[in-house]
Amino acid sequence: NAGVTQTPKFQVLKTGQSMTLQCAQDMNHEYMSWYRQDPGMGLRLIHYSVGAGITDQGEVPNGYNVSRSTTEDFPLRLLSAAPSQTSVYFCASSVGTTSSYNEQFFGPGTRLTVL
Amino acid sequence: AQSVTQPDIHITVSEGASLELRCNYSYGATPYLFWYVQSPGQGLQLLLKYFSGDTLVQGIKGFEAEFKRSQSSFNLRKPSVHWSDAAEYFCAVGPGTYKYIFGTGTRLKVLA
Repeated sequence: NAGVTQTPKFQVLKTGQSMTLQCAQDMNHEYMSWYRQDPGMGLRLIHYSVGAGITDQGEVPNGYNVSRSTTEDFPLRLLSAAPSQTSVYFCASSVGTTSSYNEQFFGPGTRLTVL
Repeated sequence: AQSVTQPDIHITVSEGASLELRCNYSYGATPYLFWYVQSPGQGLQLLLKYFSGDTLVQGIKGFEAEFKRSQSSFNLRKPSVHWSDAAEYFCAVGPGTYKYIFGTGTRLKVLA
């Protein structure tokens, strides 16, 4: 199993550009989430999904869109990039709350810089 | 409001010394608690987790944590630190296995 994969690893955008961060998992996990990590602020939840076709907002959703058409993929879209979106983005997946002993597995991250 | 507090931003210890990283949480329901470690430029690796049962949980790399409901704490400990333990450590709380609330992290430096 590759686990949780993210592409690209690094990206530089200009203000106003759009892009999609890709996330895929091969563990057949129901739940997937996107977090952003900023210095001194830990990780904050952007959006999450509890299954294909179901998404919801987290703590910091503004400026980001998500969709979940398949169990495996959970892309994060930046519609019009802003310097405030410069961050490291992590995707995570988990089996779901029906299982007592599990946790979120995190991808390696995407480092995004918006100029 | 739900929150996780890691009061120590930076901690420096000598190799071989004991370590305790503090984590306090505010959560309305029974929490699921986690400790993750992040090495520089890397993703997050789970050290240990607590859902229920024995309040002292053992994790990987010789780490353990103790859940104290009365103090709303879930402190991470290691009896003898190795240089390879230098990293950033995050405490997290969730309603289950998603929607974590993370602390701001504690960066550990190990002196040779």
